[in-house]
Amino acid sequence: DAMVIQNPRYQVTQFGKPVTLSCSQTLNHNVMYWYQQKSSQAPKLLFHYYDKDFNNEADTPDNFQSRRPNTSFCFLDIRSPGLGDAAMYLCATSITGTSYEQYFGPGTRLTVT
Amino acid sequence: DAKTTQPTSMDCAEGRAANLPCNHSTISGNEYVYWYRQIHSQGPQYIIHGLKNNETNEMASLIITEDRKSSTLILPHATLRDTAVYYCIVSTYTGANSKLTFGKGITLSVRP
Repeated sequence: DAMVIQNPRYQVTQFGKPVTLSCSQTLNHNVMYWYQQKSSQAPKLLFHYYDKDFNNEADTPDNFQSRRPNTSFCFLDIRSPGLGDAAMYLCATSITGTSYEQYFGPGTRLTVT
Repeated sequence: DAKTTQPTSMDCAEGRAANLPCNHSTISGNEYVYWYRQIHSQGPQYIIHGLKNNETNEMASLIITEDRKSSTLILPHATLRDTAVYYCIVSTYTGANSKLTFGKGITLSVRP
């Protein structure tokens, strides 16, 4: 089945140690999104790629970066994680013109120690 | 994007219809109403969307008032697996991508 895959499902990193979360998709969708969801809160959009064009949300901290080397993969890099960055990170995809919905992956839960 | 307001929580009995209300009084003419749900520890799942007309699919029905200031998501026969947080979102579909701004959502508990 076509899907959005996130690895790992659980990630533990140390305070200040760079960490990368990955997302891959078999849907061949041209738009990919990264959301942050802290405990008991709603998902919050960090940024998205429309094809190769990167679109950052105004309030996304500089500590968060993203790469999209090809259509299928997208990475979230946290350069210096703080305790406040502990959250579920959700990847989603959508396709222009034919569908209005976003398809979400299962998320990666990040713990910062 | 316009904001939405939803009750914090509600419950319903298994097998009965669940009617989830949403207010979006500041919605503009080109904004769609989307519903997503998030089952515990999973990613959000699209349910349905609409602009003006009522919509129905295999999961639910969406009823939008004529003035578009409110809507209701109807799960016709709720099951225990429908227990989740349901998000009502209004968003402009630009044709290029759709940005979703999630509110607090409503927690639906389906009881046996």
